[in-house]
Amino acid sequence: DAKTTQPTSMDCAEGRAANLPCNHSTISGNEYVYWYRQIHSQGPQYIIHGLKNNETNEMASLIITEDRKSSTLILPHATLRDTAVYYCIVKSSNDYKLSFGAGTTVTVRA
Amino acid sequence: KAGVTQTPRYLIKTRGQQVTLSCSPISGHRSVSWYQQTPGQGLQFLFEYFSETQRNKGNFPGRFSGRQFSNSRSEMNVSTLELGDSALYLCASSLDNSYNEQFFGPGTRLTVL
Repeated sequence: DAKTTQPTSMDCAEGRAANLPCNHSTISGNEYVYWYRQIHSQGPQYIIHGLKNNETNEMASLIITEDRKSSTLILPHATLRDTAVYYCIVKSSNDYKLSFGAGTTVTVRA
Repeated sequence: KAGVTQTPRYLIKTRGQQVTLSCSPISGHRSVSWYQQTPGQGLQFLFEYFSETQRNKGNFPGRFSGRQFSNSRSEMNVSTLELGDSALYLCASSLDNSYNEQFFGPGTRLTVL
C-alpha cells in the first residue's frame, strides 16, 4: 500500500514558488513527513522533514495540515537546478529504511 | 563539511565477476546504509552498518555483502555478478541513531554485461 500520493508531474516558472502537494491520509501519530529529491542519475538529496509543525530551512518550507493528512513542500524561488523528481515519504524516525514511490517530476522552465 | 563520497562512479563488469564499491560517510556520521536503485524496482534497501556491525539487512541474496571500518568508511561487495545486478548503488550516511536526515552519495553506476 502506498502511504503517500503525489501528482505525477508539474511545471514551474523559474523564479516563482513551486508548491508540491502530498497526501498521506493514513499517517500515524509517530510518523514524520520527509521530502527528498533526485536529480537525474544523481543520488537522492534530503530536503526537509516535519512532524506536525511547519518547518523551514535554507532549501524549502514544509507546511503540514492540522489533521496531518496532507502537506505541501514549497520551493520559494525555483531555479532550473530544481528540476528533479521529488519524493514525499512518511515513516517513523527510527525506521532505518527509505522507500520511494513514483514521486513528482518537477520541471522548472525559464 | 564534505558530503558522502562514493568510488568508483562508474563500473562495467561481466557476468560472474565480483565488484567492490566504496563509501565514505560525512565526517561524524557512524551509520552507513546501502541501497540499490533500478528503474523497475525503485529504491531497495541492502543493509546498514553502524560501528562496524551490520545492524539491519534487506532482502538480498548472500552474494551481496558489506563491511564497515573503524573510520566509518564502508564497502559493499557483490560476487558472481548477474545481468540483473546492473543498477545505481547508493550509499547514505546518518548520525548515530537518527534516521531523520539521510545524506546520499552520488552513487556508483554498475553495468553488468
